[in-house]
Amino acid sequence: NAGVTQTPKFQVLKTGQSMTLQCAQDMNHNSMYWYRQDPGMGLRLIYYSASEGTTDKGEVPNGYNVSRLNKREFSLRLESAAPSQTSVYFCASSDLGSNQPQHFGDGTRLSIL
Amino acid sequence: QKEVEQNSGPLSVPEGAIASLNCTYSDRGSQSFFWYRQYSGKSPELIMFIYSNGDKEDGRFTAQLNKASQYVSLLIRDSQPSDSATYLCALGSNDYKLSFGAGTTVTVRA
Repeated sequence: NAGVTQTPKFQVLKTGQSMTLQCAQDMNHNSMYWYRQDPGMGLRLIYYSASEGTTDKGEVPNGYNVSRLNKREFSLRLESAAPSQTSVYFCASSDLGSNQPQHFGDGTRLSIL
Repeated sequence: QKEVEQNSGPLSVPEGAIASLNCTYSDRGSQSFFWYRQYSGKSPELIMFIYSNGDKEDGRFTAQLNKASQYVSLLIRDSQPSDSATYLCALGSNDYKLSFGAGTTVTVRA
């Protein structure tokens, strides 16, 4: 069972470069999320999509954009990478409805030099 | 922003003992409570969820919820070295989002 799949798993960028992190889920979930995790900071929500066709900002959206391509796929784009965006990025999905547990992908470890 | 507080630890327990983790929260509107386990370098993995006041048991894990006092706890009985990980408390309400604590690191010593 694949669950939530993220690509790439590792990436090194130079300041100012752009890239897109991909996320796909095969659990027929309606809601999808992007988080970043930094040491001592816990998981912080960047953007989420409660259902196909909708996206909303989370706690730390600046410097990021998202696209809900279809029900399965939710991508995160860094238009001009900055060293402060060095982090581990997790995608998650859940059933539609509040109070549902979220299921996480394996993460993307991103370094910005 | 909903506050979710956890003792960062590390919490060190001997093998076979009970590990007790606590989480307090500020939002009285919180309706769902989750515990995730995260091994170093890995992604969070859901291990327990609880919606109602009281205790919920699943194998060696027990989640306890007290909404009046705004805390949720996780007990790990018969702790094993494989339980060494960071445990994240998360809570949800009516906005499709979860708020996470920073996590408590547990070390089970043989």
